[in-house]
Amino acid sequence: QSVLTQPPSVSAAPGQKVTISCSGSSSNIGNNFVSWYQQFPGTAPKLLIYENNKRPSGIPDRFSGSKSGTSATLGITGLQTGDEADYYCGTWDSSLNAVVFGGGTKLTVL
Amino acid sequence: EVQLVESGGGLVKPGGSLRLSCAASGLTFSRYSMTWVRQAPGKGLEWVSSISSSYSNTFYADSVKGRFSVSRDNAKNSLYLQMNSLRAEDTAVYYCARDSGYGDSFDYWGQGTLVTVSS
Repeated sequence: QSVLTQPPSVSAAPGQKVTISCSGSSSNIGNNFVSWYQQFPGTAPKLLIYENNKRPSGIPDRFSGSKSGTSATLGITGLQTGDEADYYCGTWDSSLNAVVFGGGTKLTVL
Repeated sequence: EVQLVESGGGLVKPGGSLRLSCAASGLTFSRYSMTWVRQAPGKGLEWVSSISSSYSNTFYADSVKGRFSVSRDNAKNSLYLQMNSLRAEDTAVYYCARDSGYGDSFDYWGQGTLVTVSS
């Protein structure tokens, strides 16, 4: 089991909005920044969001991040078929002294 | 353009050793902490190890502590992962990644190198 809990899958229609949750505890999300990654099959992960809600250069504003307490959320608006990928949350865990990731969420754009 | 290129993966028997390398270009390598992340076939991401920019601090996941050793050569812009006493559960694609410096996030990743531990 992963330290951070994500839904295994989410789906939505093109043009719609979807949110992906990431649940943790006070030792990780509750007291540390959250980042989000997008991964297409057979390729390396790509940073989408860092420090809870900041986007690296080149990431469209369709992607957003938020954090509340011990949970974080990735939002994607204006869904495109090209957004179909696996999405992972990550953060530092102060008890484990380790970076921890969620189990990943597969996004399907119907 | 930042590029990270891993090498050294392959097939190794249980109990064997392997050394992975990550060649970095397009960045001032010595300024950044670097990290190894692995992904078992069909599974999620697992952080393996990190090393600070100045070699002074190294960190390991409990699953590899005592068996893996991370190092770097800033003069050669290279990151390494020495893997000993390999187990079947170490089978994975191993990625090197650059610590962005912001909130334990990783902004550049290599393409990965596959390590298969099997008899």
